[in-house]
Amino acid sequence: AQTVTQSQPEMSVQEAETVTLSCTYDTSESDYYLFWYKQPPSRQMILVIRQEAYKQQNATENRFSVNFQKAAKSFSLKISDSQLGDAAMYFCAYHGGSNYKLTFGKGTLLTVNP
Amino acid sequence: NAGVTQTPKFQVLKTGQSMTLQCAQDMNHEYMSWYRQDPGMGLRLIHYSVGAGITDQGEVPNGYNVSRSTTEDFPLRLLSAAPSQTSVYFCASSYVGQLNTGELFFGEGSRLTVL
Repeated sequence: AQTVTQSQPEMSVQEAETVTLSCTYDTSESDYYLFWYKQPPSRQMILVIRQEAYKQQNATENRFSVNFQKAAKSFSLKISDSQLGDAAMYFCAYHGGSNYKLTFGKGTLLTVNP
Repeated sequence: NAGVTQTPKFQVLKTGQSMTLQCAQDMNHEYMSWYRQDPGMGLRLIHYSVGAGITDQGEVPNGYNVSRSTTEDFPLRLLSAAPSQTSVYFCASSYVGQLNTGELFFGEGSRLTVL
């Protein structure tokens, strides 16, 4: 079974600084997809960024980028120029191409200090 | 455009009572799923469905039943509630072909407390 591990239950960052959230995963599949979701206090789930395993290039969405290390099975999220609105719970998630399941990590609570 | 609608948003039950969490979507999504979210545990998949008449178990299915008689609805049933089922429940839907994109549409969540 696939597992997703987020080793940082909580992180904090100063406004305008950069922070990196860690995620590792375990899988035997070759075709899979990785995601980062943001959950603000409203409980809404928001897709932040996605990475296809077959792509070597790291995904980037504005201030959000990933460091995808396929051999190490690592998928970290970097948030640049952190803003107060970035404060939220962040979940790393995995989807194997051969099934219909999305597996989430336990989450990292990010605090942004003004 | 309603998206994914969950009812009720809050519910308090006594141990042993039964109840149904309702989930409806108006986007004609084939895929629907139920997750529970607990502090320090992330989101865990309970059951999912890839179409009317088709359901399958997720990571934590014990104590929960589902059915999918229509494309729009995917109710989650607790037959005999236990305190361990105190949680926030999320319904999510998507086109099956879009699961790879991560574009899941989530409901607002239902907070269930079992005393």
